[in-house]
Amino acid sequence: AQRVTQPEKLLSVFKGAPVELKCNYSYSGSPELFWYVQYSRQRLQLLLRHISRESIKGFTADLNKGETSFHLKKPFAQEEDSAMYYCALLTGNQFYFGTGTSLTVIP
Amino acid sequence: NAGVTQTPKFQVLKTGQSMTLQCAQDMNHEYMSWYRQDPGMGLRLIHYSVGAGITDQGEVPNGYNVSRSTTEDFPLRLLSAAPSQTSVYFCASGGQGNTEAFFGQGTRLTVV
Repeated sequence: AQRVTQPEKLLSVFKGAPVELKCNYSYSGSPELFWYVQYSRQRLQLLLRHISRESIKGFTADLNKGETSFHLKKPFAQEEDSAMYYCALLTGNQFYFGTGTSLTVIP
Repeated sequence: NAGVTQTPKFQVLKTGQSMTLQCAQDMNHEYMSWYRQDPGMGLRLIHYSVGAGITDQGEVPNGYNVSRSTTEDFPLRLLSAAPSQTSVYFCASGGQGNTEAFFGQGTRLTVV
């Protein structure tokens, strides 16, 4: 079975503090992993994917196959980062999403 | 910029009624998909399509039908609505291969 776990439903950090949103996956094959974000009153949109190894809006995520994790990190949180974040796993043609983490950045 | 157009935004149905949620994209994506979002459950894949004429089941397909007669359109049909189908539905285009997934605005469906 393929599953994605985001253990934190809610996460609050102060502006300027580091933030880490956790994602663990369960998949026996070679995973394709993504982070999607939904800002208030906006559509769900891609934030980053592990294969491109890029940093978007200061966020990075490293795939750790040993720990089966794909945690999202940012060294200095900004107020505009407040949003709902979803980790997603693509296996073949099927996407599996985590339950999401609502991030609030406190000014 | 059109991207993904999903209609309607809101819908209330009575138990047993049928309806179709529309989804259209103008990005020439082969891959399209439908999800439902329930509290505490995240997004769950209902059906997906890898091209015109090709559809397949996702994680929660029961009670839903899809078809893909053109690349642009991927409607989701509820055959006989049940209260358990009360949810927010999202259509997405792309996301497989090198394409980014673009989501529709969502449909909030209530079945009474």
